[in-house]
Amino acid sequence: QSVLTQPPSVSGAPGQRVTISCSGDSSNIGSSGIDWYQNLPGTAPKLLIYSDSQRPSGVPDRFSGSKSGTSASLAISGLQSEDEADYYCARWEDSLNGHVFGTGTKVTVL
Amino acid sequence: QMQLQESGPGLVKASETLSLTCTVSGGSSRSSSFYWAWIRQSPGKGLEWIGSLYYTGVTYYNPSLKSPATISADTSKNQFSLKLSSVTAADTAVYYCARGRAGFLAYMDVWGKGTTVTVSS
Repeated sequence: QSVLTQPPSVSGAPGQRVTISCSGDSSNIGSSGIDWYQNLPGTAPKLLIYSDSQRPSGVPDRFSGSKSGTSASLAISGLQSEDEADYYCARWEDSLNGHVFGTGTKVTVL
Repeated sequence: QMQLQESGPGLVKASETLSLTCTVSGGSSRSSSFYWAWIRQSPGKGLEWIGSLYYTGVTYYNPSLKSPATISADTSKNQFSLKLSSVTAADTAVYYCARGRAGFLAYMDVWGKGTTVTVSS
């Protein structure tokens, strides 16, 4: 399975902008859309972004996604305390007919 | 609005079969627009896709799983289930069920809150 690598942690003060990277190679990130999920312990994981940059209805526009080459990014602007959670990138893997998740990033609001 | 709820025993003995059910409410599980998936998160680790079930009955599983998985549906109850056989301590995890959008863009847009399963020796 192709590996999607994320930084273990990122942090920022309230109101700041943070970005989370998701790195792969041309065989994974370059070949399919990247989705982003927010995971708070004890709650249902939440889809934040699909197909690189599309935001489902109800997701604040503080969350944005982008992709360039073999790397994708999730940006959170106007950081809030409620954004403190784990974030995962993911992609569809044709050879599995299933999903591959990134290594995960913990966001801490200082 | 569709909601998913996982249920099942929180403790399973090693070498036995783990059985979980996901109940779908606020919509039907009988739609070709969706697939139904199981994902887990082991302690201290990230999310891992277990497998998916499609409207046609076709299933796909993660080949990296050590314990064989089976996903099936009971459409009369609007439920789908997961069975993992011959479990080991490595199967201790929070298990989530999710709805996936079938088609060119495949992503999981509705998730359950998860249920914790501990495998005891």
